[in-house]
Amino acid sequence: DAEITQSPRHKITETGRQVTLACHQTWNHNNMFWYRQDLGHGLRLIHYSYGVQDTNKGEVSDGYSVSRSNTEDLPLTLESAASSQTSVYFCASQPSRELTDTQYFGPGTRLTVL
Amino acid sequence: QKEVEQNSGPLSVPEGAIASLNCTYSDRGSQSFFWYRQYSGKSPELIMFIYSNGDKEDGRFTAQLNKASQYVSLLIRDSQPSDSATYLCAVSPKAGTASKLTFGTGTRLQVTL
Repeated sequence: DAEITQSPRHKITETGRQVTLACHQTWNHNNMFWYRQDLGHGLRLIHYSYGVQDTNKGEVSDGYSVSRSNTEDLPLTLESAASSQTSVYFCASQPSRELTDTQYFGPGTRLTVL
Repeated sequence: QKEVEQNSGPLSVPEGAIASLNCTYSDRGSQSFFWYRQYSGKSPELIMFIYSNGDKEDGRFTAQLNKASQYVSLLIRDSQPSDSATYLCAVSPKAGTASKLTFGTGTRLQVTL
């Protein structure tokens, strides 16, 4: 079955380290998104992509980067991890931008920055 | 002022009752509105969307939209313990698109036996 996966599911790292979170979908969806979810803030958009080689900044993009070299993957990189980036990260994919196209969320990655 | 506001709850309703979840938004240009359900420790899943004023029904769920009041709600009829979850309201600025969603912080619903 087609799916969206994230790895790792849990990650503990130290301040200043570079961290990459993987997101892989097998639906051949054009659109992919990265969100972070924190208590009191809900889901906030970090970066998104509407296709290969397309990337866009979201609401909270500082300190994060993404690249889209193929349809299936949108890795999220924390250039120099900070304690403020401790959060649960969700990747989502969507077939296109049509209203009826649902965003399907991955299982999430819980990141702790010490 | 937050762009999308929800009461964090918990909203407690007895089994079989109607649960009413509310959401207000600040951008009057918002066009599309979504309700997601998120169980504890799990990822959000779409329940339904609405983009026209009025009511939209899907099984036990009814979404209501009032653009003049910048208000969207979700009614859950015959609430079941399995409905206990956090419900996220999300808003999109562009008509006909589900991209670039802005989420509220969610309302936690508890359905009691």
